[in-house]
Amino acid sequence: QKEVEQDPGPLSVPEGAIVSLNCTYSNSAFQYFMWYRQYSRKGPELLMYTYSSGNKEDGRFTAQVDKSSKYISLFIRDSQPSDSATYLCAMSYGTSYGKLTFGQGTILTVHP
Amino acid sequence: DAGVTQSPTHLIKTRGQQVTLRCSPKSGHDTVSWYQQALGQGPQFIFQYYEEEERQRGNFPDRFSGHQFPNYSSELNVNALWLGDSALYLCASSLGAGGIYNEQFFGPGTRLTVL
Repeated sequence: QKEVEQDPGPLSVPEGAIVSLNCTYSNSAFQYFMWYRQYSRKGPELLMYTYSSGNKEDGRFTAQVDKSSKYISLFIRDSQPSDSATYLCAMSYGTSYGKLTFGQGTILTVHP
Repeated sequence: DAGVTQSPTHLIKTRGQQVTLRCSPKSGHDTVSWYQQALGQGPQFIFQYYEEEERQRGNFPDRFSGHQFPNYSSELNVNALWLGDSALYLCASSLGAGGIYNEQFFGPGTRLTVL
């Protein structure tokens, strides 16, 4: 069993839709939770990070962490065609600059 | 301010050969991590270098080795290449210590194809 599981999709939604991306994990030692966005032929770029449980909002993006259920989510409101990319969840242990463990990635397409 | 840079962009090798990939971290960063991303998969951690030493290592064989130079740039070496090594190799840089959160910035990657 992988430490981090992510539904690979693909996910196709119309412009303006609310998108929900999810990951589950098995290791309760994870403390930092991140969402990265990766465009084709590019490296991942950080969208959101959360330390421990809770919610965090940044513009159209909301990250949620439920440590009791070992479940994290990323919500995208008013999705745009420019949001079309692969979304990767990532987690790390005690230090934020340490080893990142990624999910498989979810391919999202937002069509006009 | 230049971000993380990697070279070369693409590389084609044959089985059994050796390859060296290079990474220059973001200005001010002292820690470099390497990841392997197979097609359709998330990145997998190979190892991390800090103060010119390997600080952490993932589940990769000894064929994968690295180096960090005094200017914090880094190399990833892979010996005895086999088909399964074909992937996008990503370099990420960060600050090794201090602060509550130290973001890892990724480079564009080197696409390695092994024939």
